[in-house]
This record gives sequence, C-alpha cells and structure tokens, in this order.
Amino acid sequence: EVKLLESGGGLVQPGGSLRLSCAASGFTFTDFYMSWIRQPPGKAPEWLGVIRNKANGYTTEYNPSVKGRFTISRDNTQNILYLQMNTLRAEDTAIYYCARGHSGWFAYWGQGTLVTVSS
Amino acid sequence: DVQMTQSPSYLAASPGESVSISCKASKSINTYLAWYQEKPGKTNKLLIYSGSTLQSGTPSRFSGSGSGTDFTLTIRSLEPEDFAVYYCQQHNEYPLTFGSGTKLEIK
Repeated sequence: EVKLLESGGGLVQPGGSLRLSCAASGFTFTDFYMSWIRQPPGKAPEWLGVIRNKANGYTTEYNPSVKGRFTISRDNTQNILYLQMNTLRAEDTAIYYCARGHSGWFAYWGQGTLVTVSS
Repeated sequence: DVQMTQSPSYLAASPGESVSISCKASKSINTYLAWYQEKPGKTNKLLIYSGSTLQSGTPSRFSGSGSGTDFTLTIRSLEPEDFAVYYCQQHNEYPLTFGSGTKLEIK
C-alpha cells in the first residue's frame, strides 16, 4: 500500500525557515517523480515543484512563485522527500502535501502538514 | 503559466441527478487535464487524467471530456458520497496549475 506521511509543519515567524519531510512507503521510491503541493485553507491547491526519479537524474522543477526560496530534495536511502522553505511570508501559510506523480497527475497524496507563518 | 478557470464555483444537486463541471485553460493543453475530488478528512482523490482516462477505482458514473482549452467533468446519477469539492489540474506543462474548485452540495 502506498503511504505518504508529511511532518515538520508548525508556527514560524515571517522571515524564518522550515524543513518539511515526507516519508514514503509501499513503492520503489527511486522510480517515481515526487512533488510538493500546498493549499491555503479554503483555496485551491498550488503546485510548488517536483524532483524527478533516478532515471531522470533527480532533477528539479519549481513553480516561479517559490523558486529561489524553496528547495526540494530526497533521501533515496531512507525514502524521504524534503521541502526546505526559506524567507517565509504570511502568504506561505497553507497545508503542505507531498504527492507521487509521474506524468504530471497525482494518484497519491499525503494527509498534509500545516504551516502557519505569523508573528 | 496556464490559468485554469473552473465553473461553477458552487453547485447544488440532489442524489440521482447528473451534473457537469467546466474547466477552461488559458491556452491549449491538448488533453492533459486531471480531475480530483476533495473530501474532509481524506486525501485528495484522483478521478480522471489525460482528459478522459478513469483512474483505477473511479466509478463509471464519472466521465471526463474535452481537449484544447475546454473540458468537462460529468457525474451521472449522483450518489451521496459524491458531494465534495472538485478541482481540475493541467498536466501539459510546468508549472502545473489547478482550477479554483467547485463545491458540490446536496440540494
């Protein structure tokens, strides 16, 4: 069974940093592209970026809205996906999801972790 | 970025009825459109991808159609479990983008 479990969310001050994790299980992690998606409460999802699979060199793509502030990485020995978020702003407040997607759609999502940026 | 415009944002219907949700892209995305269902306390569920391909496990009362810029999700004979929020998402190009959502409520 495919499982994705995010962690690391919480309250952070504007300008601060946070690293989110997503523990993956139930599939061969290195075979799949992995994405981060966020959703402010009551709003639509926003795709943040993707890290490709082993066959595609684990390269990354980012949404221009977060490029330069957010970094996606993966630990393929422990099957963990990361999202490093820097210079956080109030508008970054959202539930953050990891999702498994290979051709641009997402068949598996985690339950999400809430990030609140506030002083 | 490709802008995705969904309509209506709110829809009320009764069990047994059929409904349609529209999603329009700001430029052609071929047939590269997915539909998701969002329900409280559950992970987002992929219903359809590539415009009309049902994800494994999606009931046959769901169907997707369209190409280019105009797409439709149709749900025939609504079941009680279908009342939820629905999102479209284009998977033609990065950045991947979502529609603003349609909340389907029981009339």
